[in-house]
Amino acid sequence: DTAVSQTPKYLVTQMGNDKSIKCEQNLGHDTMYWYKQDSKKFLKIMFSYNNKELIINETVPNRFSPKSPDKAHLNLHINSLELGDSAVYFCASSQLGDGEQFFGPGTRLTVL
Amino acid sequence: GNSVTQMEGPVTLSEEAFLTINCTYTATGYPSLFWYVQYPGEGLQLLLKATKADDKGSNKGFEATYRKETTSFHLEKGSVQVSDSAVYFCALTVPGKLIFGQGTELSVKP
Repeated sequence: DTAVSQTPKYLVTQMGNDKSIKCEQNLGHDTMYWYKQDSKKFLKIMFSYNNKELIINETVPNRFSPKSPDKAHLNLHINSLELGDSAVYFCASSQLGDGEQFFGPGTRLTVL
Repeated sequence: GNSVTQMEGPVTLSEEAFLTINCTYTATGYPSLFWYVQYPGEGLQLLLKATKADDKGSNKGFEATYRKETTSFHLEKGSVQVSDSAVYFCALTVPGKLIFGQGTELSVKP
């Protein structure tokens, strides 16, 4: 039983395209997150949602738009992809107020 | 502000060697502290945590003690195995998010 799942695992696309990454958690958690991991493995939070409401937006370009249709899902849509968007994107979830987060397997995005 | 600093990697050890990965933090208040591990090609997994000063987190032979006086949370293991090869991240909580250190890559040779 996968706790936090993401699709797709790999995404290769051209500059200028629009793409989405989907995330689902079956842990019953209130809060979900998107992180970006760069080529040097550095992890930085992008967004967090609590019960479908945005609570953190870490100065991410507005080409990135998260959407949470319900508290078990948090999708990430990226418009007009740029070379610098190439990275691994991780989804995570937690109970609000509990620091422990559970991570998905990641989506490796390559922009050509 | 809040930040986490880890020792630079990569760290290369022989099997059964002693491991220390240093982690220091800067934070307002009293955050919880974590070590996460990322095996090749996978997401992050929680390795251990400590929620208050002097707490010791432990799991799979790894240990770390929350030291408020030195603002540190160093990761140790007495005898590493090849299967411990991974990237290790120290992290702290602030309201609503985790702040990670830059990660330390560990490579254990047989």
